[in-house]
Amino acid sequence: DAGVTQSPTHLIKTRGQQVTLRCSPKSGHDTVSWYQQALGQGPQFIFQYYEEEERQRGNFPDRFSGHQFPNYSSELNVNALLLGDSALYLCASSFAPNQPQHFGDGTRLSIL
Amino acid sequence: GIQVEQSPPDLILQEGANSTLRCNFSDSVNNLQWFHQNPWGQLINLFYIPSGTKQNGRLSATTVATERYSLLYISSSQTTDSGVYFCAVKNQAGTALIFGKGTTLSVSS
Repeated sequence: DAGVTQSPTHLIKTRGQQVTLRCSPKSGHDTVSWYQQALGQGPQFIFQYYEEEERQRGNFPDRFSGHQFPNYSSELNVNALLLGDSALYLCASSFAPNQPQHFGDGTRLSIL
Repeated sequence: GIQVEQSPPDLILQEGANSTLRCNFSDSVNNLQWFHQNPWGQLINLFYIPSGTKQNGRLSATTVATERYSLLYISSSQTTDSGVYFCAVKNQAGTALIFGKGTTLSVSS
């Protein structure tokens, strides 16, 4: 039974570029949430997807967007990358929006 | 929004020692989870404990929702317990997890 899987594990981009991160939820889970974790901080909620729609959004600019596919997998897109976007991006899945969340190993994004 | 405070921020222990980590939250919650983030960044579920007490091996947790705090107990600590321990609660909408800043635990042999 595979857990939450994220790809890629590491990524290096330059300022102004665009990036797409991917997440496959745990088997049986239909809800995907994305978090950003800066160095030395706790994860911060970006948004949650359920039934292919964005259900709730945290305090992140429109440069951060997402998508959920019919198979429940999800993508996080970030446009016009800034140095401050360097962080660990974590995906979490649950079997409903208000149920306990299980996290993937994250994608470590570095912006040069 | 809900505020989550964890204490202590840092903890240094010798192998075999016991410890208690605390999580205070500013409003009523219907969901609380404890996580361990290992040195490789993996965030591992420890407990889902909106109220009551649970135990899993050397770890146990208690949440007193009416008094807005939760405690994580680690007994007979091992070097593999090192890392950052996060408490996270769900907001009123019941979707986003709000994390504390974590307690960094270092266990030496």
